[in-house]
This record gives sequence, C-alpha cells and structure tokens, in this order.
Amino acid sequence: GAGVSQSPSNKVTEKGKDVELRCDPISGHTALYWYRQSLGQGLEFLIYFQGNSAPDKSGLPSDRFSAERTGGSVSTLTIQRTQQEDSAVYLCASSPDGTNTGELFFGEGSRLTVL
Amino acid sequence: GNSVTQMEGPVTLSEEAFLTINCTYTATGYPSLFWYVQYPGEGLQLLLKATKADDKGSNKGFEATYRKETTSFHLEKGSVQVSDSAVYFCALSGSGGSNYKLTFGKGTLLTVNP
Repeated sequence: GAGVSQSPSNKVTEKGKDVELRCDPISGHTALYWYRQSLGQGLEFLIYFQGNSAPDKSGLPSDRFSAERTGGSVSTLTIQRTQQEDSAVYLCASSPDGTNTGELFFGEGSRLTVL
Repeated sequence: GNSVTQMEGPVTLSEEAFLTINCTYTATGYPSLFWYVQYPGEGLQLLLKATKADDKGSNKGFEATYRKETTSFHLEKGSVQVSDSAVYFCALSGSGGSNYKLTFGKGTLLTVNP
C-alpha cells in the first residue's frame, strides 16, 4: 500500500529478550519519526531521522533503545534486554521533509507486551 | 518545555449533539497547532491545523481556532455523527530548529451513540 507500514503489529516477549520493530515509510518521505504511546499517556517522541541520519535522539529512554535507518527508507527500532515498562504501542510516522507546517503520516503501530 | 493539556475523556454524546474538546498549551516561540484523530484500528491522521494566531483550521465539519491570548486550540463540531467516534489528540510543533517535533496531549476518547 501507499501508507506507512509497521511490523509486527503485535509482539509478546519475555523480560530480558531483545526485540526489533520495523517501519517502512511512504516512498519519497525523507523524514521519519518514532513515537511511543503508553497506557493513559500521550504520544512520547523518541527519535527523528532526516535521511539516514538522526539529528535528534533525545527521546530514547535509555541506552537499551537504538534505531537505524538505511537507504533513506526502512527504519528499525531495537530494544535490548526488554523490561515490563517498555510495554507500549510504538508508532512510526513519516513526512515529506522535517518541517512541521505539514503533517505526519502515521502507521498503525506495533504493540509490544513484555511479560 | 512545551506541553499540551486536553480534557480528560471519555466523552459520550448522542448523534447530532454539539462537541467541544478543550486543549490548552504551553510553548516557547510560535508553534503550529494540530488536531489528530485515530479511528478504531487505524493510525493517527491529521484532522486540521493552524499555523499562526487567529487562524481557524477546519475539516469534516470540525473547527479549531488558534488563540494566542488564551493559549488554546479547542476542537468543536456542531453536530456529531456515529462515524466521529475516535480518539482525538491535540498537538503542537516545536519552534525554530525543532519544528519537526510534535508534542501531543493524552488524547480524548469520543463515543457517539445513535
């Protein structure tokens, strides 16, 4: 399809395991964002990519979280040694560029449950 | 830092009722303001936006006016439909070099009954 695609849609894992979440943005969009939505909370900014570089990683909660983007397209968010507090919906969004007079196009999210 | 406060939900209305969802913000500089909507089983999508003071954003019968003096961006619709049932998020952009970053409220769940 033409929208932002995320996988997996649901992931259940055990505490201490590593997980990878994938985002395929809209073709041609240079800006890519990861947000986290925890129960009862708003969307929390994690990281912003412009092309393959990440000028703002300020929202990553700890060094267990990392993200990369390759070919100016697909991005992977990796969470190492998962903890129960990592349980949330992880949302990816893209936009044509990094100026927010425009709009972000969101995927449906990856719901992560850490047991 | 920037923050957004929106009214707690859930909000339950009958069809054709008037809707207001309050949103106030704290920000430095001159942010743009947004309402996003998340329908069941779908990703967030932009509903409307306003980029400067006194601008009115509108879409699908929804309206919101950027009020700098009261730092507000309340969402209104004159007559809601069952299909408007969704979660609504108020958001603002950063200013200057961080205008790519959106700060969101916690969301308001709206349920419209026939």
